[in-house]
Amino acid sequence: NAGVTQTPKFRVLKTGQSMTLLCAQDMNHEYMYWYRQDPGMGLRLIHYSVGEGTTAKGEVPDGYNVSRLKKQNFLLGLESAAPSQTSVYFCASSYPTGQGSGANVLTFGAGSRLTVL
Amino acid sequence: GENVEQHPSTLSVQEGDSAVIKCTYSDSASNYFPWYKQELGKGPQLIIDIRSNVGEKKDQRIAVTLNKTAKHFSLHITETQPEDSAVYFCAASGSGGYNQGGKLIFGQGTELSVKP
Repeated sequence: NAGVTQTPKFRVLKTGQSMTLLCAQDMNHEYMYWYRQDPGMGLRLIHYSVGEGTTAKGEVPDGYNVSRLKKQNFLLGLESAAPSQTSVYFCASSYPTGQGSGANVLTFGAGSRLTVL
Repeated sequence: GENVEQHPSTLSVQEGDSAVIKCTYSDSASNYFPWYKQELGKGPQLIIDIRSNVGEKKDQRIAVTLNKTAKHFSLHITETQPEDSAVYFCAASGSGGYNQGGKLIFGQGTELSVKP
């Protein structure tokens, strides 16, 4: 089925370890995003991409890096994990509706739960 | 940048009652305001959205109202059912245009519980 697929779904890391979350979409969407969800804080944008080969910082980019080498994939990396990065991470993709700025419908993945000990 | 505040954080209603969730935003340039529903263990999914040139939009039991002057918008669910139980997020587009990726700034979320 078409949609956004996140890998892995669960991961436990020790402080200082590194890892990469993979997001893949098969809808030919131009835009892709990484959000983190924490209790009481909603969804906060980490990084996003407006097209293949582009990336930009969101609200909470520190401690994360991203890459968009292929249009369908958006990778989120943690170089040195910290307990503060324990969270549920959501990838999303969207297409511009062409009806004015910001009018995009986001399709989200099912989430990746990361625990940093 | 844009800041979105959402209230209440939790809401419990009896089946058949109405539920209202309110959001305020800070950036007067925001022109797109969607609402997402997140069921347990899943990613959020769009349920309704409104653009700044419209004051109200309705889709069956769900409606959204927008007051641009006061910079607030609300989600109204009528005749609530147990399957409406979920976390609801409001969002605002901010001032970004095409080159900003149309990124959304989300509120803190409201956990709605509908009791049978």
